[in-house]
Amino acid sequence: KAGVTQTPRYLIKTRGQQVTLSCSPISGHRSVSWYQQTPGQGLQFLFEYFSETQRNKGNFPGRFSGRQFSNSRSEMNVSTLELGDSALYLCASRKRDRVENEQFFGPGTRLTVL
Amino acid sequence: GENVEQHPSTLSVQEGDSAVIKCTYSDSASNYFPWYKQELGKRPQLIIDIRSNVGEKKDQRIAVTLNKTAKHFSLHITETQPEDSAVYFCAATTSYTGGFKTIFGAGTRLFVKA
Repeated sequence: KAGVTQTPRYLIKTRGQQVTLSCSPISGHRSVSWYQQTPGQGLQFLFEYFSETQRNKGNFPGRFSGRQFSNSRSEMNVSTLELGDSALYLCASRKRDRVENEQFFGPGTRLTVL
Repeated sequence: GENVEQHPSTLSVQEGDSAVIKCTYSDSASNYFPWYKQELGKRPQLIIDIRSNVGEKKDQRIAVTLNKTAKHFSLHITETQPEDSAVYFCAATTSYTGGFKTIFGAGTRLFVKA
């Protein structure tokens, strides 16, 4: 079974631009969560999508948004980029029938904002 | 808001010694506690987990303990080996009517010296 994939793997943008990241979950996994990883901050929860609906949201500004498609693929968008948005963005997919269902992470998209 | 504190941030041990990482969570409704290992340049991978109705779980050299009353949980690695060197993240997951929310600790960088 193919793992979680993310595209692109690397991105360089300048302040004020916007960016869209993509995540394809493992086949059969309908929940996709997004995390921001920065040195010293660990993984910060951005949001979770299930059945094309955002189910949970972390403490990030409205510049961070996402969506999920009917095939469970998810995209994350960051508008008006700031230098502090430079980070590794990880998505994770899981089955959703039990809380202990394992989250499987993608390789991440490394975003650099100049 | 929900928070998970993780200590220490850095841990250095001699090969063969034990390593202990401690976490405290704030949301008393959290009911699932996974631990992830992230090697340099790789994605986080689940190494062990524990549900809120269990006090201790062991898998070979790795064990996790949970004290629900104190809202503490810990990872114990015995007989450490150089390949255990990585960043370890604890996490607390809470189930909501609409889904799950996982909050991660800031991570512990473990160095195992040969």
